[in-house]
Amino acid sequence: GAVVSQHPSRVICKSGTSVKIECRSLDFQATTMFWYRQFPKKSLMLMATSNEGSKATYEQGVEKDKFLINHASLTLSTLTVTSAHPEDSSFYICSARDPKGSYTFGSGTRLTVV
Amino acid sequence: LAKTTQPISMDSYEGQEVNITCSHNNIATNDYITWYQQFPSQGPRFIIQGYKTKVTNEVASLFIPADRKSSTLSLPRVSLSDTAVYYCLVGDKGDSWGKLQFGAGTQVVVTP
Repeated sequence: GAVVSQHPSRVICKSGTSVKIECRSLDFQATTMFWYRQFPKKSLMLMATSNEGSKATYEQGVEKDKFLINHASLTLSTLTVTSAHPEDSSFYICSARDPKGSYTFGSGTRLTVV
Repeated sequence: LAKTTQPISMDSYEGQEVNITCSHNNIATNDYITWYQQFPSQGPRFIIQGYKTKVTNEVASLFIPADRKSSTLSLPRVSLSDTAVYYCLVGDKGDSWGKLQFGAGTQVVVTP
């Protein structure tokens, strides 16, 4: 079936540094990908829609300068958390629409900012 | 966008059948019903999708009544590894699907 690869699976960074998370559709092309954030024991919260070749669309309340999204190719979207702070620590997940019309999720990235 | 309501949690013993019902009273004509499973620190995994009546795969069954205002995910003979959060999502298959807001989901706990 369709596979979405997310890397890294977990990362620890120091406050003030930036972290990049990659989301790849391995065997299909995805013009649109989505980025979610999930706090412990909470549901997924949609952060933004990543559009290939154009600017991402952010949900209300999500800082676009804090969470930079780039969708440079049909198989890769990246989320960069800039100048990370401890409150940015969370579980980040991407998804992409597969050829069958369903959405496949990446395995997630656990970000810890110390 | 159709809003969904699910029970917060369900407990079961190994070998039993677990049925989770999701309410979606304002489901639209073009909407499909999709269920996902999520384990801790992992992304959601697709379980099953349906439009009407009954759908069955190797993992689960999905029952959808004629009015489509609810649906029931049935997990036969659960095992400890079925302990997870289960999400019901309703929407069309277009790109707007990805914008669907996840509900709280149902935490299923399977014990020996």
